[in-house]
Amino acid sequence: EPEVTQTPSHQVTQMGQEVILRCVPISNHLYFYWYRQILGQKVEFLVSFYNNEISEKSEIFDDQFSVERPDGSNFTLKIRSTKLEDSAMYFCASSEVGRAYEQYFGPGTRLTVT
Amino acid sequence: RKEVEQDPGPFNVPEGATVAFNCTYSNSASQSFFWYRQDCRKEPKLLMSVYSSGNEDGRFTAQLNRASQYISLLIRDSKLSDSATYLCVVNMPDSNYQLIWGAGTKLIIKP
Repeated sequence: EPEVTQTPSHQVTQMGQEVILRCVPISNHLYFYWYRQILGQKVEFLVSFYNNEISEKSEIFDDQFSVERPDGSNFTLKIRSTKLEDSAMYFCASSEVGRAYEQYFGPGTRLTVT
Repeated sequence: RKEVEQDPGPFNVPEGATVAFNCTYSNSASQSFFWYRQDCRKEPKLLMSVYSSGNEDGRFTAQLNRASQYISLLIRDSKLSDSATYLCVVNMPDSNYQLIWGAGTKLIIKP
């Protein structure tokens, strides 16, 4: 069964450093998403991406965040200058055309900012 | 008022029992509804979409009540492997992609 993959599984970084989280969505999916989940809290939408551009973004997705699809398979989330409150699990998800809400999630990257 | 509200639980249920959870949503314009399950420290996994007419998938039945703005999930003949947090998810109206997530109901199935 095809699945979304994410690397690394755990990233530890110091406050103020840049991090790049990587995702490989399911190959025939064209919609891609990033979510975060702070430990013990709700899943929160960050951004959706389609046709090589951001479709929608939430208030959380400020200028410190950016996304990119650098090639035909990878989808990345960059946090420019990490803050302590960025510590969370970051999930990538993807979905098919016509089924944008039926989203399939990767295993997540646990980001710890110290 | 929270956009998607769920009883956090935990629901402690003996194996083989039937258990049901509800979820309420605040925006009557929402049109798409889902149940996801999330195991501890894992990713959410789509369990089922919820259709207006109600739908069933094996031991799982989902119902939608638009008038009262709630969604339910019924699990029959519960298994130990059903232990997880069940997340109620609703689309954000006027958005093509955004989902609004409930905080989840924790279910523990006991042998």
